[in-house]
Amino acid sequence: QVQLQESGPGLVKPSETLSLTCTVSGDSISPYYWSWLRQAAGKGLEWIGRIHPTGDTVYNPSLKSRLTMSKETSKNQISLKLTSVTAADTAVYYCARETQVSGQRWFDFWGHGTLVTVSS
Amino acid sequence: ERVMTQSPDTLSVSPGDRVNLSCRASQSVSSGLAWYQQKPGRAPRLLIYSVSTRAIGIPARFSGSGSGTEFTLTISSLQSEDFAIYYCQQYDNWPLTFGQGTRLEIK
Repeated sequence: QVQLQESGPGLVKPSETLSLTCTVSGDSISPYYWSWLRQAAGKGLEWIGRIHPTGDTVYNPSLKSRLTMSKETSKNQISLKLTSVTAADTAVYYCARETQVSGQRWFDFWGHGTLVTVSS
Repeated sequence: ERVMTQSPDTLSVSPGDRVNLSCRASQSVSSGLAWYQQKPGRAPRLLIYSVSTRAIGIPARFSGSGSGTEFTLTISSLQSEDFAIYYCQQYDNWPLTFGQGTRLEIK
């Protein structure tokens, strides 16, 4: 069974960089697409960005200027860096595996999520 | 960006009821539409993709329909474990976007 675990600091100061890692177990990350999503308290889901098997990335335009996603295949990890954070970046951050078949795609495995609070 | 709008925001229902949850896209998303269920403190769970295809392990009481800009998730007979928030999500166009969610609460 595929399992995803997000990790990283739970508290980040305004203007600093938020860094998170998603460690995947139960399968290799190599053939799949991986996304980060977030959810502010009491709010809906926001897709942040995606990294392809090739390492190419697609980012949400609303975050693109501050966002970097990468992967380390040898460690089976996906990473996210979001610079210049503000209180508006406070949310539960999820990593999710995206399965893509014949143009259809869906998030079939999710991590439990990690709460990141931006505060001084 | 495709804006996804769900209605209603909250629905008060009883176990055994049949419910229809609506999702409208600001522009056509073709068949690129999925539904997720989320319970408090949990990650979302995939229910439906490609408008009407149930994910592995999802009970037959969940069904999806629609096309273009109008979509519906139907739960034929609500069970106690179905009280949750439901999100639609389009994947036809970047960025991927979600509706604001519909909360099913016990009447």
